[in-house]
Amino acid sequence: DGGITQSPKYLFRKEGQNVTLSCEQNLNHDAMYWYRQDPGQGLRLIYYSQIVNDFQKGDIAEGYSVSREKKESFPLTVTSAQKNPTAFYLCASSILIDRQGNQPQHFGDGTRLSIL
Amino acid sequence: AQSVTQLDSHVSVSEGTPVLLRCNYSSSYSPSLFWYVQHPNKGLQLLLKYTSAATLVKGINGFEAEFKKSETSFHLTKPSAHMSDAAEYFCVVINGGYQKVTFGTGTKLQVIP
Repeated sequence: DGGITQSPKYLFRKEGQNVTLSCEQNLNHDAMYWYRQDPGQGLRLIYYSQIVNDFQKGDIAEGYSVSREKKESFPLTVTSAQKNPTAFYLCASSILIDRQGNQPQHFGDGTRLSIL
Repeated sequence: AQSVTQLDSHVSVSEGTPVLLRCNYSSSYSPSLFWYVQHPNKGLQLLLKYTSAATLVKGINGFEAEFKKSETSFHLTKPSAHMSDAAEYFCVVINGGYQKVTFGTGTKLQVIP
């Protein structure tokens, strides 16, 4: 089945440590996205990428980094500079806009990151 | 500017009664609108989408939504709630070729047996 796989499901970070969240998709989508979800705040965009080797900052990129070396992979690193990393992280992908208009994003099942 | 307002943070209904989850949007362009559902510790699942075709959109699990341009609304409805409908629902607007995406803050639906 086609879809988006996020791993791990749960992750714990120590002080001063960088951690990397994995996101892989086999939908052949060009665009991929990372969101952070906090209770009562909806989803906030961290980074997005529309093509391999290119990515753009979203609304809350500080303390995060990404890479897009392959079309199917878009890992997110939460660096030690992110002082409040505890949240639920969601990866998504989509087809870019086409003749049918804007297309929906497809989501993975998320990674819950906590501080030790 | 683009925004989405989900008018209720929590909605509680009895099983078998109708569901109404309200969403208003503002957009400078003709938007595409979506409703997603999220169960605890899961990702978002697409319920339905409006992309400038029919204004009444039918989705999965018996949900539907009506796009009303004059009211800038896209409310989600279901005739009869089921226990499995208990979840959080997000209204989303997408604009433009650069895929500017805006999420509402979510509505938690409780279904009482």
